[in-house]
Amino acid sequence: NAGVTQTPKFRVLKTGQSMTLLCAQDMNHEYMYWYRQDPGMGLRLIHYSVGEGTTAKGEVPDGYNVSRLKKQNFLLGLESAAPSQTSVYFCASSRPTTYEQYFGPGTRLTVT
Amino acid sequence: DQQVKQNSPSLSVQEGRISILNCDYTNSMFDYFLWYKKYPAEGPTFLISISSIKDKNEDGRFTVFLNKSAKHLSLHIVPSQPGDSAVYFCAASDGGSTLGRLYFGRGTQLTVWP
Repeated sequence: NAGVTQTPKFRVLKTGQSMTLLCAQDMNHEYMYWYRQDPGMGLRLIHYSVGEGTTAKGEVPDGYNVSRLKKQNFLLGLESAAPSQTSVYFCASSRPTTYEQYFGPGTRLTVT
Repeated sequence: DQQVKQNSPSLSVQEGRISILNCDYTNSMFDYFLWYKKYPAEGPTFLISISSIKDKNEDGRFTVFLNKSAKHLSLHIVPSQPGDSAVYFCAASDGGSTLGRLYFGRGTQLTVWP
């Protein structure tokens, strides 16, 4: 089992460019999440999904969109990147019966 | 406003001694608490958890204590080892309508020195 994987691991974008971060999990988990981690800020929830075809806003959703077309994949999109979106992005997944979330290794994004 | 607070950004402990990491929360609806450990360039990994119906949970060298009246929990690591050096995040959930959503503290960097 690969667990939770994220693509890409690193990316540098210019202001205004767009990109999509891919998260995949092979644990058949219903729930998936996108977080961002900034220095001294901990993990903040961007968007989450409780099942295929469903998404919901988290704590810091502005500037991001998500899609969950397949149960195993959760995509995070930045339509017009801004320097404030420079961060490390983590994807996570979980079962609906437990609180424990399993995290991917992260994507380090720099917007210049 | 942060609902889960880790007021100590760092902690340094000698190998073999006890490490105590603290966490406070403000939301009385939180009913489940977790600790995650994070090494550099890796994702957080689950360490230990506790339900609000308990006041202590132990797993090997790791023990979590919950004081509901004070809205405070702590993670004890005994004995501390150099491999425990990492960032530790406290997280809480209110179960309910947010369906497993976790609220994280800002983390505490633990350094265990020989």
